Amino acid sequence: AQSVTQLDSHVSVSEGTPVLLRCNYSSSYSPSLFWYVQHPNKGLQLLLKYTSAATLVKGINGFEAEFKKSETSFHLTKPSAHMSDAAEYFCVVRKDTGRRALTFGSGTRLQVQP
Amino acid sequence: DGGITQSPKYLFRKEGQNVTLSCEQNLNHDAMYWYRQDPGQGLRLIYYSQIVNDFQKGDIAEGYSVSREKKESFPLTVTSAQKNPTAFYLCASSMAGVTDTQYFGPGTRLTVL
Repeated sequence: AQSVTQLDSHVSVSEGTPVLLRCNYSSSYSPSLFWYVQHPNKGLQLLLKYTSAATLVKGINGFEAEFKKSETSFHLTKPSAHMSDAAEYFCVVRKDTGRRALTFGSGTRLQVQP
Repeated sequence: DGGITQSPKYLFRKEGQNVTLSCEQNLNHDAMYWYRQDPGQGLRLIYYSQIVNDFQKGDIAEGYSVSREKKESFPLTVTSAQKNPTAFYLCASSMAGVTDTQYFGPGTRLTVL
């Protein structure tokens, strides 16, 4: 079985300061990992994905995430927050055999203060 | 423009009525998925289909039904047997390969009165 834990349900930062959204996963095999962002009442947009290539993954809008197998973590970071980054962020794991549906974390709501 | 469309954006129904949510994609993707999202929670898989005329139950299929008669369409019916149907419903699609990424539609918010 696979699972994802997002360690913070809510994160608040000031504009221009770094963002760190934490995610730990549990999987009995090497998974694919994703970060998606959801703005209010919208669908999900893919930020970045890890599929066993480089452990540091760069995504859109200046976000990046590092896959650390020893820590079973896939934390999302951004050097400088922008007001438009305020949204809900989901860490997601996918089993790469059989059913390829996604397992979602419960989400982290990012608030950006001016 | 390529993408996934869901209609309507907002849907209101009386308790006991069946309702069908539309999902269409023109990305030529083989696989399509339906998820349900409740406040403060991640998405949960309802049904998925990897090819035309075939679909499988996800984690919370009870009270829902689907069909996949065309590659580009995967409608979801919320039946009166679904005990708590009010939620945000998201459709996704992907290619069928191992490294396929799922792309999401804008969602339909269903409210049962």
